[in-house]
Amino acid sequence: EDKVVQSPLSLVVHEGDTVTLNCSYEVTNFRSLLWYKQEKKAPTFLFMLTSSGIEKKSGRLSSILDKKELFSILNITATQTGDSAIYLCAATKSAGANNLFFGTGTRLTVIP
Amino acid sequence: EAGVVQSPRYKIIEKKQPVAFWCNPISGHNTLYWYRQNLGQGPELLIRYENEEAVDDSQLPKDRFSAERLKGVDSTLKIQPAELGDSAVYLCASSSRDSPQGYGYTFGSGTRLTVV
Repeated sequence: EDKVVQSPLSLVVHEGDTVTLNCSYEVTNFRSLLWYKQEKKAPTFLFMLTSSGIEKKSGRLSSILDKKELFSILNITATQTGDSAIYLCAATKSAGANNLFFGTGTRLTVIP
Repeated sequence: EAGVVQSPRYKIIEKKQPVAFWCNPISGHNTLYWYRQNLGQGPELLIRYENEEAVDDSQLPKDRFSAERLKGVDSTLKIQPAELGDSAVYLCASSSRDSPQGYGYTFGSGTRLTVV
């Protein structure tokens, strides 16, 4: 059975801290790993990772994929209160379909 | 460009009542998805359409759930009768076949259903 597991489930940090969110996966015919930020209801796209060891960056956020150990991390540096959200990772398969298999998410709270 | 539009935003119904959700995808997106997100969980796929054809409905509880996508554009998801366990956020998303897998995958704001 395919599964995507995120840790920690929740995290509370102070502004300025650096956080690392983890996502491990066991998905047959794995193709890519995606990260989303969910503030209210609509998840918004952050990164898509398909190759091992290549870091993707967007401002204070970065992510990397390890296809040998089957995990990905999302780093956020110099956190701000606006980073408070649920961070979801999702895996896709190479079987042509674009279905996303989500983890349970990590709820990040950044306090001033 | 308007994103994926869903309505209503919120719905509260009594158990055993019917309910319907509507989704208008991004213009030109041929693939439409319905996901359900229970509290504290990630979204789970209910059904995927390629144009007007439901190509993956393996996770749709067919005894009470139904969906349609007439003319390959708007879609409606229906529950009849609703049960307490159906309380969740129902997310619609759309994507284009021409986009690299993963990109161009846009979610709507969802409908939060509460069954009492």
